[in-house]
Amino acid sequence: EPEVTQTPSHQVTQMGQEVILRCVPISNHLYFYWYRQILGQKVEFLVSFYNNEISEKSEIFDDQFSVERPDGSNFTLKIRSTKLEDSAMYFCASSEFRALQETQYFGPGTRLLVL
Amino acid sequence: AQSVTQPDIHITVSEGASLELRCNYSYGATPYLFWYVQSPGQGLQLLLKYFSGDTLVQGIKGFEAEFKRSQSSFNLRKPSVHWSDAAEYFCAVGMGDTGFQKLVFGTGTRLLVSP
Repeated sequence: EPEVTQTPSHQVTQMGQEVILRCVPISNHLYFYWYRQILGQKVEFLVSFYNNEISEKSEIFDDQFSVERPDGSNFTLKIRSTKLEDSAMYFCASSEFRALQETQYFGPGTRLLVL
Repeated sequence: AQSVTQPDIHITVSEGASLELRCNYSYGATPYLFWYVQSPGQGLQLLLKYFSGDTLVQGIKGFEAEFKRSQSSFNLRKPSVHWSDAAEYFCAVGMGDTGFQKLVFGTGTRLLVSP
C-alpha cells in the first residue's frame, strides 16, 4: 500500500540554524500538508499546498517557514532560523482531492529538537 | 471557533473488554469527522470517517463510531479490545474556509491495554 514517507525521523539542531524537513507524498496525490505537534499538545495545521502554491496557512506559519516542491516527488518544509519553541513532531500529509471529507494520509513524522 | 475536545487524556482497558473513546466537536456547518490512530513510531492512520448518511460508521480493525448531532459527539467504540490496540487516538474535524481541507484535531487519548 502506498504511504507517505518523511526524513529524517529525528533531527537535533541549534537555535538559529536552518532545518529542512523532507516528505515524499503518495505519488498520485495533488494536495500536500504540514502539521506539527508540540509535546503534550494538539496536532496543529501549518500549511496546505497545491499546484506549487500555498493554499492556506495558519498563524503559526510565519515568515520563518516556507514550503517547496523542488521536484516531482519531494515536498519540503524549511524553518529558516529555528527557535526553541519550534521543537515538535512535524507531520506531512497528502490527499488525492481537496474535498472536506477527503482522507489525508500521514507520514510517520520528524521529531525536531531545537537546543 | 471550531474545535474538537477529547476529554480523556488516558484510558486503561483490560484486554477483551469494550472500549469507548469520547469526542465532542464545535463546528457551525455539517461536520466532516475523522478518527485517526497513531502507534509508536508510526504516522497517523485513518480508522474511519463520517460525512453523511448512516450515523453509525464502520472502520478498520473492528472500530466503529456514532455521529450524534444533538450531542455534537462522534465517539469511537470497539466491542473487544486487543493488546495491539494500545496507541494514541485522535479525533478530528475537516474544515476548509478557503475550499481546501484542513484538519482540526483534538488533544488525543492514549489507550493502554492491560492483560
